Formats: sequence, C-alpha cells, structure tokens
Amino acid sequence: GAGVSQSPRYKVAKRGQDVALRCDPISGHVSLFWYQQALGQGPEFLTYFQNEAQLDKSGLPSDRFFAERPEGSVSTLKIQRTQQEDSAVYLCASSSGTGGFEQYFGPGTRLTVT
Amino acid sequence: SQQGEEDPQALSIQEGENATMNCSYKTSINNLQWYRQNSGRGLVHLILIRSNEREKHSGRLRVTLDTSKKSSSLLITASRAADTASYFCATEGGYYQLIWGAGTKLIIKP
Repeated sequence: GAGVSQSPRYKVAKRGQDVALRCDPISGHVSLFWYQQALGQGPEFLTYFQNEAQLDKSGLPSDRFFAERPEGSVSTLKIQRTQQEDSAVYLCASSSGTGGFEQYFGPGTRLTVT
Repeated sequence: SQQGEEDPQALSIQEGENATMNCSYKTSINNLQWYRQNSGRGLVHLILIRSNEREKHSGRLRVTLDTSKKSSSLLITASRAADTASYFCATEGGYYQLIWGAGTKLIIKP
C-alpha cells in the first residue's frame, strides 16, 4: 500500500513568511509524529498525535510552530514568521501504535528560509 | 537534545567486509531501534530490540543490547554497495517518544 507522503518536498520561504507542511500518514495509523532534522544530525522530536489528539508538543521550538490533525488522518505543521534557524528537513512518521512499534517515515520537506 | 551517540561518526569499508557501529545512550529504555537513511529511500526501520533482549538477527543484520552499559551495536555482514547510508539508533524510554543519535555514515567501496 501507499507509504507516508509529505508535501511539498522542497520549500523556500523568505524570512517572515508563514509556511504549511502537509503529511499524509499510512491509512489506519493512529500515531503520527513530526520531527525536525538538521544537516548531519538525527531527527529531533517535535510533536505527537494519537488520532486527532495532540498528546505531546514539548518539542516544538517556539510558539511560532503549530501542528494539527483535525480528523485523525492528514496533519499539517505550520510555521509562522519563519526565521533562518527554521531551515531544516521536517519529517513526518506514522505508526499503528506506540510502545515498541516501528515508525514509517515520509520523504520529508526540506525548508530553506532565506 | 539527543540521547543516543553513535560511534564511529563515519566508516568506510570494502564491499564484502563486515561493518560494526555502536550506540550509547543515557537513560533507561523500553526498546532501541535502528534505522537507515539514504537519499533514495529516506528513513527506514531496520530492527527493534527490547530491553529484555540481548541479541537479535534479521537477515545480514545483528543487533546486540547491553542495558548495564547502556549500549548497542549493529553488525552488517557481507556489506553491499546498497548498504551505503547513514545509520541511526533511536531509543524509546517513555510511551512513544524516540530519542535519536547523530548517526554513523557508512560508505561501502566497490
């Protein structure tokens, strides 16, 4: 079946612009995660959804970052007033559960803030 | 902040040789997972080992876990060009959150 998809794959934003990144998880997966990955580093946790409930947003770097998953499937990560330090690859992952379940990752969105 | 620390940071070997990479972590865990990332296929799950397991095999992969030393190792036997990638360990301590290391960059020379 289809894997996790993300769009856009690449996004260039001028400093101060708002961006919205979309994630389509694997159908039926209740858990959805957003990560931020800087060049040469491992992913860093941003936020976690179980169905439509955002159970953990402790990794969001600032209040400019906002994520939602209103119907428990597609999720959007929004970044307001982008800054250069927001440049990174944003990864979405889904899994069928938590506690020992593998996560399936999308290809990521590479965000460059100029 | 990252919990895992992979060693070495980079590894270059000849095709056919075995590759070993290590991961150390700081806090107690429920399980530890290894993932591979390359430009073609993104991040892909390789193997999961639970805290009460000491060794696990999957094809050419062998993972060990020593919870007393808070460390794990990933062995890839008979390496192939397609194994060229970055390898990450990720620990799950709580209910869901994975904490990742910075990865080992593996290059397989033909």
